Amino acid sequence: AQSVTQLDSHVSVSEGTPVLLRCNYSSSYSPSLFWYVQHPNKGLQLLLKYTSAATLVKGINGFEAEFKKSETSFHLTKPSAHMSDAAEYFCVVSDPSGNTGKLIFGQGTTLQVKP
Amino acid sequence: NAGVMQNPRHLVRRRGQEARLRCSPMKGHSHVYWYRQLPEEGLKFMVYLQKENIIDESGMPKERFSAEFPKEGPSILRIQQVVRGDSAAYFCASSPTGRGLLVEQFFGPGTRLTVL
Repeated sequence: AQSVTQLDSHVSVSEGTPVLLRCNYSSSYSPSLFWYVQHPNKGLQLLLKYTSAATLVKGINGFEAEFKKSETSFHLTKPSAHMSDAAEYFCVVSDPSGNTGKLIFGQGTTLQVKP
Repeated sequence: NAGVMQNPRHLVRRRGQEARLRCSPMKGHSHVYWYRQLPEEGLKFMVYLQKENIIDESGMPKERFSAEFPKEGPSILRIQQVVRGDSAAYFCASSPTGRGLLVEQFFGPGTRLTVL
């Protein structure tokens, strides 16, 4: 069965400092992995997705994530946080069983950015 | 190209009433997913539909919940005889195809259901 664990429920950084949001996955298959962001009272927006073409994935708004099979991790990073990055972030794995593409979400990490 | 539309955005119901949540997928998308987000939790898959077909309802509660995606019109998630535990945000997502693990799902803004 597929699952994701987000290791921090809450991360607080100062504006201009690096961001690290940690995610570990469990998968019986070669996984498809995503990061989504949810701003307050908004829908979810895809930040990036792992396609297996490259282990370092670049997304929107300066975010990137590195797929490490040996560590079963897919951590999200950004070199310099901006106030507008404050939001809820979800690490997601696609469940290939039945080939329906349904998504399995982690618990979420709330990113706080302090001025 | 309008995104995924959901309405209402907020819905208040008393225990025992029915809740109907609507989702209009993006233009050209014929695959719809419903997810539920309980307070302080991630989203949980409920059901996956194509036009006039339920493909996977493994995440749907066995009773009181139903979903449809008719040939014409929006997808409907229906909750009968709501209870306080149904209070949550319900998100709809759509994709142009269901096959292929890397097909992006586009999410709507959600419907926040409050049961009094």
